Amino acid sequence: GAVVSQHPSWVICKSGTSVKIECRSLDFQATTMFWYRQFPKQSLMLMATSNEGSKATYEQGVEKDKFLINHASLTLSTLTVTSAHPEDSSFYICSATSGRADTQYFGPGTRLTVL
Amino acid sequence: GEDVEQSLFLSVREGDSSVINCTYTDSSSTYLYWYKQEPGAGLQLLTYIFSNMDMKQDQRLTVLLNKKDKHLSLRIADTQTGDSAIYFCAENNQGGKLIFGQGTELSVKP
Repeated sequence: GAVVSQHPSWVICKSGTSVKIECRSLDFQATTMFWYRQFPKQSLMLMATSNEGSKATYEQGVEKDKFLINHASLTLSTLTVTSAHPEDSSFYICSATSGRADTQYFGPGTRLTVL
Repeated sequence: GEDVEQSLFLSVREGDSSVINCTYTDSSSTYLYWYKQEPGAGLQLLTYIFSNMDMKQDQRLTVLLNKKDKHLSLRIADTQTGDSAIYFCAENNQGGKLIFGQGTELSVKP
């Protein structure tokens, strides 16, 4: 149980385009979903916390107009990187929690490369 | 502030035990976690321990928690080459967010 999927697993896009990443909890209802960014050989950096039906809470320094988060249902959250630039290239990972032991279950990640 | 520290590298021989250490600062954390990340993949939850426990064992994994010293360790018995990965410890803060350490890269040599 507690499986989280992400789609796509990797994406390459041109500078200036927008990219949408989906995060789904497959076998449980996620009260909260989190979006992280990870640079090579580094730890995860929390970008935002998303609760179903409400606006996401962004961490300091994360541009909310750049990284649009929509949490339309208890099993789906999306992250849209708008007008992507090469510096947005990174590994984006989502996680979801059902509230049990505050445990976060992570998706497999999405590798974004902006040319 | 909240901070989680880990050593960056650990190298062991196959069959030996591995011990990965972690220190944290937030004494109000309810749970502490160990995650495993293989190259190019997301994080896999290995185990977690409630803050009022001292030890938790799950097959080859043993978690020890010293709450007084804010020290957490993960022992992997009979380490195999498939255990090679980056291991992250994490604590949850009062806002329900996870604070991660830098990750310890475990290398298992045959």
